[in-house]
Amino acid sequence: EIQMTQSPSSLSASVGDRVTITCRASQTIHNYVNWYQQKPGKAPRVLIYGASTLQSGVPSRFSGSGSGATFTLTISSLQFEDFATYFCQESYTTPYTFGQGTILEIK
Amino acid sequence: EVQMVQSGAEVKKPGESLKISCSGAGYSFANYWIAWVRQVPGKGLEWMGNINPRDSDTRYSPSFRGQVTLSVDTSTNTAHLQWTSLKPSDTAKYYCVRQDYSGSAAYWFDPWGQGTLVTVSS
Repeated sequence: EIQMTQSPSSLSASVGDRVTITCRASQTIHNYVNWYQQKPGKAPRVLIYGASTLQSGVPSRFSGSGSGATFTLTISSLQFEDFATYFCQESYTTPYTFGQGTILEIK
Repeated sequence: EVQMVQSGAEVKKPGESLKISCSGAGYSFANYWIAWVRQVPGKGLEWMGNINPRDSDTRYSPSFRGQVTLSVDTSTNTAHLQWTSLKPSDTAKYYCVRQDYSGSAAYWFDPWGQGTLVTVSS
């Protein structure tokens, strides 16, 4: 089973900041990583799939990069609505493990 | 609009059985695997397993194998998650998701159902 180690576990930032969240896989997974955003009381929604492809309808301030075993999600200029929890997920092999999540809070 | 619509919240006692459902709409149901994801309140996401509606081929996470059963009914475009004997540790929100894919065989989960909260308490 592939382990996904996400960091940081929490992050305080201000509107307009650039933030980066990292996910490291326990083995190479090529580009089979997805990123999700979850707001309190809501289901997650996909932001990025295949490490760097932006899901339709997702603002362009979100971007993903990486390959092999290290991946990043970047938000170029935080907006108020971006304060949420973010999860990475590997889709290389079952079980499709998620990272433990990063809580992005307002500073 | 593609959407997954789940059945409502359940409150059960330990040892009881339960079957929750998820209906897919707005797409060709048979062409996409359906996955189930557990989220214990305040915790992270756990992939439980997935099922191919076309032939009911099913994969389970080792953590959930033998604990739950996935099934589908293609006549109603509905997927099910069931337990035969619930435990208090099964208390969680359960999401069904459509497993979308690209030609490169990358998979991602979209859309998600609204979740079904299952509470198991004596």
